[in-house]
Amino acid sequence: DSGVTQTPKHLITATGQRVTLRCSPRSGDLSVYWYQQSLDQGLQFLIQYYNGEERAKGNILERFSAQQFPDLHSELNLSSLELGDSALYFCASSALGGGDPNTGELFFGEGSRLTVL
Amino acid sequence: GQSLEQPSEVTAVEGAIVQINCTYQTSGFYGLSWYQQHDGGAPTFLSYNGLDGLEETGRFSSFLSRSDSYGYLLLQELQMKDSASYFCAVKDQAGTALIFGKGTTLSVSS
Repeated sequence: DSGVTQTPKHLITATGQRVTLRCSPRSGDLSVYWYQQSLDQGLQFLIQYYNGEERAKGNILERFSAQQFPDLHSELNLSSLELGDSALYFCASSALGGGDPNTGELFFGEGSRLTVL
Repeated sequence: GQSLEQPSEVTAVEGAIVQINCTYQTSGFYGLSWYQQHDGGAPTFLSYNGLDGLEETGRFSSFLSRSDSYGYLLLQELQMKDSASYFCAVKDQAGTALIFGKGTTLSVSS
């Protein structure tokens, strides 16, 4: 157990809908990262927050947005959903902005599996 | 930007040794990491190389050559439980987010 909690674990919805995925980082971690993993694809970096502020942006679609709240939990909002958005969405956390100071290690949650029908 | 190349699949038998290669192109380099993922579960950190050379952690070792922009993960005495996907990763240009390769699926058979 990494200490990172993601909800919901599974979500099935229809095209055009909007969903919100939630992530609680490890206790004390200030940085949260969101990744998307589609079938047969690697982990695609979406966005990173550090202590409430956006720190880095990856290949995140305009239909997607995220935020990190004062209690450090984060939410990823996916709107106007398309079939191709079906994927595993992972949240990871670290104490600092670049992962563990020595190794850059990130701690991943178990993911939220989104199915768009 | 950052890009990584690794083989998509590797197969081996129990007890064997397997090497998973990773080549990278980066703007700025902060080290090479390896992660393991079982069946769509949470990726977990395996190893990190910040400097050239070999790092050993039990049955797993990782190697880095910065001049060749190349690294590998070496798995020895393979066990069935080692069947998983293995990802190499580098930090982004700013040194904050981790960028992953597409992963190598290792299948270990008896």
